[in-house]
Amino acid sequence: AQSVAQPEDQVNVAEGNPLTVKCTYSVSGNPYLFWYVQYPNRGLQFLLKYITGDNLVKGSYGFEAEFNKSQTSFHLKKPSALVSDSALYFCAVRDMGHASGGSYIPTFGRGTSLIVHP
Amino acid sequence: DAGVIQSPRHEVTEMGQEVTLRCKPISGHNSLFWYRQTMMRGLELLIYFNNNVPIDDSGMPEDRFSAKMPNASFSTLKIQPSEPRDSAVYFCASSLGAGALSYNEQFFGPGTRLTVL
Repeated sequence: AQSVAQPEDQVNVAEGNPLTVKCTYSVSGNPYLFWYVQYPNRGLQFLLKYITGDNLVKGSYGFEAEFNKSQTSFHLKKPSALVSDSALYFCAVRDMGHASGGSYIPTFGRGTSLIVHP
Repeated sequence: DAGVIQSPRHEVTEMGQEVTLRCKPISGHNSLFWYRQTMMRGLELLIYFNNNVPIDDSGMPEDRFSAKMPNASFSTLKIQPSEPRDSAVYFCASSLGAGALSYNEQFFGPGTRLTVL
């Protein structure tokens, strides 16, 4: 089975400060990990993904995420937040191997609302 | 590319009526997903198609919901009869590839906001 947790419903940060949105996962094998962003009244948009290789993944809009296998985490980060980053952020996980009980379909977290204050 | 296209964008109907939501995936994508999003339950996967074949429909709430994909460029989600608790935003998403080797991201449509009175 595969699962993902976003422990914070909401994250508040001041513009210009660094931001972190947390994500932890559980898979039987190795994970594929994704971050998506949803702006109001829009569909989800892909930000970045981890497949293999370098643990630090860089994505769109200056976001990056660090894969930590020992802590089973994939936290989303940005060095300097913008008011326009305010949105709903989703983490998703897919087990790499179906044989290990994983699914071909990613499992999404419940989302974290990021609010960046001017 | 126009991205994933969904219609209508908004639908208001009365309880008991039939509702049909439509989706056109990105050309060349062979996986299609229908999701429902509400404040209470978050984002829920309803059904997943691969190469026009329904692979996993375990998320379909009940027999009132049905989905079809008659060809690679079109899918429908039908609710009959509709109920107020079906009110939600329904998203369609597509991706390239499937199976053990697929690690491609999903592309989401703008969603259909359904209100059942």
